[in-house]
Amino acid sequence: EAEVAQSPRYKITEKSQAVAFWCDPISGHATLYWYRQILGQGPELLVQFQDESVVDDSQLPKDRFSAERLKGVDSTLKIQPAELGDSAMYLCASSLALAQVETQYFGPGTRLLVL
Amino acid sequence: KQEVTQIPAALSVPEGENLVLNCSFTDSAIYNLQWFRQDPGKGLTSLLLIQSSQREQTSGRLNASLDKSSGRSTLYIAASQPGDSATYLCAVDNAGNMLTFGGGTRLMVKP
Repeated sequence: EAEVAQSPRYKITEKSQAVAFWCDPISGHATLYWYRQILGQGPELLVQFQDESVVDDSQLPKDRFSAERLKGVDSTLKIQPAELGDSAMYLCASSLALAQVETQYFGPGTRLLVL
Repeated sequence: KQEVTQIPAALSVPEGENLVLNCSFTDSAIYNLQWFRQDPGKGLTSLLLIQSSQREQTSGRLNASLDKSSGRSTLYIAASQPGDSATYLCAVDNAGNMLTFGGGTRLMVKP
């Protein structure tokens, strides 16, 4: 069964360093999402792509976070510089299209710890 | 802004019990509501999706209901098993498949 792939699974970094996370959605899925999940809370949407275009990034802290999906397939989320409050699980999800009834399929996540 | 609340935050029950998890949302103009399961340190797995025109959905021992006008949904788990232990999250879609999640209910089913 096709799955959303994410790497790395775990990342430990020091404050002010740069980090990057990678996501490969299920083949053929046009829509890709990045979520941040703080321990004990539900996921919060950071950015949504339709193919290579950003649909919504209103919750993305653009002073330090950036996301790209250059060829409309895999995607990278970057944080520079990392802050202590960025420690969280970063989840990637994909869906077939933007239709309201499309199920989102989630990857295993990247757990980030900022020291 | 849509807000989603889940009660209780944590629940511990003995194996075999039937249980109900609650989800409430502030903006009733939703397209659909989904229930997800999350195992510790893992991603989310979709359990049930209820479209705004539907009242309930069933999958095996799971039944989810939706009362859009009152802003409420419940997830009913019949004959709970230790393998059901996980965090259950509800999420509402107001537009364009952008989900707003609740904080989750951590369920522990004891053998």
